[in-house]
Formats: sequence, structure tokens, C-alpha cells
Amino acid sequence: DVKVTQSSRYLVKRTGEKVFLECVQDMDHENMFWYRQDPGLGLRLIYFSYDVKMKEKGDIPEGYSVSREKKERFSLILESASTNQTSMYLCASSRDRVETQYFGPGTRLLVL
Amino acid sequence: EDQVTQSPEALRLQEGESSSLNCSYTVSGLRGLFWYRQDPGKGPEFLFTLYSAGEEKEKERLKATLTKKESFLHITAPKPEDSATYLCAVRGSSNTGKLIFGQGTTLQVKP
Repeated sequence: DVKVTQSSRYLVKRTGEKVFLECVQDMDHENMFWYRQDPGLGLRLIYFSYDVKMKEKGDIPEGYSVSREKKERFSLILESASTNQTSMYLCASSRDRVETQYFGPGTRLLVL
Repeated sequence: EDQVTQSPEALRLQEGESSSLNCSYTVSGLRGLFWYRQDPGKGPEFLFTLYSAGEEKEKERLKATLTKKESFLHITAPKPEDSATYLCAVRGSSNTGKLIFGQGTTLQVKP
């Protein structure tokens, strides 16, 4: 079974803090994705990566950056957290660009 | 522009009352339509992938079908444990692997 894990289920941070969200997959998948999910807006793609050290902007990359130093790990970075980044963050991975994406359990982030 | 619309937004059924959820899509060159189930506070759980019109997939009480413009998720004799939000997503021919998600249908099955 595919397993995608995220470092935290719940996180509370203060405005201006630097926030790291980590995602690890154990299936040797090439592609990894970060989404945020908000009521009424659905899932929106923030960043994705096809391979180690590669990254591509999604639909809403502003205020975020990513890092992929190892194939199994994809980190989302909020350089200076703001209240409008309070959301559910979901990581996903897929074997390649045409295969199914499998999601992690999510991190619910609250920025005060 | 690629777009996915799910209906209804919410559906309440009695246990055993069969129904269908709809996913209408517009996409340039469909490269897969995906159904996920999401429980409150959790990540989406993969259910089905459909690639071409006429294709059908089944799993327990769920059956997904696909036409050139829409997909249906049929739920036969649902149970309370089928209560969840069901998400539909499509991948187009842009070769990025990117998925476009609908807003979801929240299903509540009452005993």
C-alpha cells in the first residue's frame, strides 16, 4: 500500500513565523504535490515536483516555497506566515505524471 | 479552461436508499477522471480512476461510470459508514500531471 505521511496533524503558529511542513512517501514515487483545502474553494495546487531538486509552481504559489532534496521527501515552507494561510494542507504523491495521486492525512495549520 | 462541477453539494439518504452523485467536466484531452472519498479532518482516499467513455469500475456499494462529459458515482444500498465527502478530479492533456478538483458532494446516510 502507498503510504504518504505528514509531519504534523495540527499546527499553531504566529504571524511572521517561518513554518515548515514535511511530507514523506515510501513508494519511490517520482511526483509529489502540495495542496491547500479551504471551505468553498476546494483543493488548490500550491507547488509540485517531478524529481529531486525540481519544482514547479501550481495555481497559488505566492507566499510559499518548497524543497525536495531527497526523492521521498517534499517540504512546504511558509517564509512568513500570515493569517490567510490558515488552512488544511495536503501532500500527495504519484508514480508518474499519469498515475493516481495518493494523499497524506493532512496538516491543519492555524496562524494567529 | 479545465473545469469540474459536482452536484449536488450535499445529499442526505436513508440507509438502503440508492442514489447517484454527478461530476460534470470540461477538459482539453481527458487523461483520467479520479474519484476520492474524504472523511472530516482527513486526507482524500483514492477510490477509482476512469480513462475513457464507457468505462465502469466497482468497489463494494460504489460504482463509477464515465461519459464524454460527466461521471457518476452510484451508491447502492448505502450504509451510515458511507457518509463522507466525495471528490471528483480530472487530469487534462497538459502533461503536467496536475489535477483539477470539483468542490465535492457531502453525503450523509442516516440509519
